[in-house]
Amino acid sequence: DAGVTQSPTHLIKTRGQQVTLRCSPKSGHDTVSWYQQALGQGPQFIFQYYEEEERQRGNFPDRFSGHQFPNYSSELNVNALLLGDSALYLCASSLTDFYNEKLFFGSGTQLSVL
Amino acid sequence: DQQVKQNSPSLSVQEGRISILNCDYTNSMFDYFLWYKKYPAEGPTFLISISSIKDKNEDGRFTVFLNKSAKHLSLHIVPSQPGDSAVYFCAASAFAGNTPLVFGKGTRLSVIA
Repeated sequence: DAGVTQSPTHLIKTRGQQVTLRCSPKSGHDTVSWYQQALGQGPQFIFQYYEEEERQRGNFPDRFSGHQFPNYSSELNVNALLLGDSALYLCASSLTDFYNEKLFFGSGTQLSVL
Repeated sequence: DQQVKQNSPSLSVQEGRISILNCDYTNSMFDYFLWYKKYPAEGPTFLISISSIKDKNEDGRFTVFLNKSAKHLSLHIVPSQPGDSAVYFCAASAFAGNTPLVFGKGTRLSVIA
């Protein structure tokens, strides 16, 4: 049973560019959340998708957007990249009872903005 | 303002001894607490949780203690093993776990053989 898979593993972009990160949830899971983990920090909640809609959102600007597809996979898009967007981006999946121990994380995408 | 604080960035413990990782929180609405473990190049994995209606939860070598009046929780690992070496994150949620997890900055545990 595959767990949460994220692609790409690493990515290098320059300021002002746009980036798309992808996530496939664990089999049987229908809810996907995205977290940003900056160096030396804990993961910070970006937003959550359920039934192809954004259900909750953290304190991130509109440059951060997402999408969930009918197969429950998800994308995170970041526009107009800033140096401060350099971080590990983690995707987590769960069933709809979300904020509990049944939260499974992927290995993340390491984004470097130069 | 950090709502979940792990004030020790690192901890070193000898194999077989007890590891104690601490976490403090400021938001009195938090009522569900979790510990996650993270190895390099992997995502965080759930370790143990505790609800605010309890003051202790145990799972094998891992025990979490919650002191609500002090807004403090701790994770005890006994006995510590080299495979426990990882970064440990404390996380909290409100409304019986129905709000996004708020994570601390993590504590890097090194268990020395």
